[in-house]
Amino acid sequence: KAGVTQTPRYLIKTRGQQVTLSCSPISGHRSVSWYQQTPGQGLQFLFEYFSETQRNKGNFPGRFSGRQFSNSRSEMNVSTLELGDSALYLCASSSRDRDYEQYFGPGTRLTVT
Amino acid sequence: EDKVVQSPLSLVVHEGDTVTLNCSYEVTNFRSLLWYKQEKKAPTFLFMLTSSGIEKKSGRLSSILDKKELSSILNITATQTGDSAIYLCAVVWNNDMRFGAGTRLTVKP
Repeated sequence: KAGVTQTPRYLIKTRGQQVTLSCSPISGHRSVSWYQQTPGQGLQFLFEYFSETQRNKGNFPGRFSGRQFSNSRSEMNVSTLELGDSALYLCASSSRDRDYEQYFGPGTRLTVT
Repeated sequence: EDKVVQSPLSLVVHEGDTVTLNCSYEVTNFRSLLWYKQEKKAPTFLFMLTSSGIEKKSGRLSSILDKKELSSILNITATQTGDSAIYLCAVVWNNDMRFGAGTRLTVKP
């Protein structure tokens, strides 16, 4: 079975721009969760999608949004980028939900300049 | 404020030692506690705990939850250099999920 894939792997953007990250879960997995990891804040939960519906959401501003398609692929969008958005963005998929066994993708390293 | 605290933050041991990592939490409406191992980039799932007192075991790793003490421990016996990693715990409650800062374990040959 192919693992979780994320594209792009690296991205450099300028303050004020917006960015869209993509995540393809393991085949058959319907839950996709997104996380932000930074040296200062550690790993933080962004949101979880299940069957195209946002099921859970962490404490992030509205500039962070996501969606999930009928094939379970998910995208995360960050608008009006700030320097503090520079981070590793990880997505994880699960056959049930985020507190079941999750498989993480390699991440997208976003740098905002 | 809801929080998850791991201790110690860093630990250096020699191969063959046994280690115990701690995770304590203060959250309302606790749902589950998860342990992950992060070596290079992506964390890998170790255990999910929901019930107090029931030990989960996988090879040399084991974990148990104590809901009365609001904590969990992760034990690694007969450590190997390949166990060197950051060990993260995460607590799920209501609609949110929070990770601890992690314990960086270094196993020396």
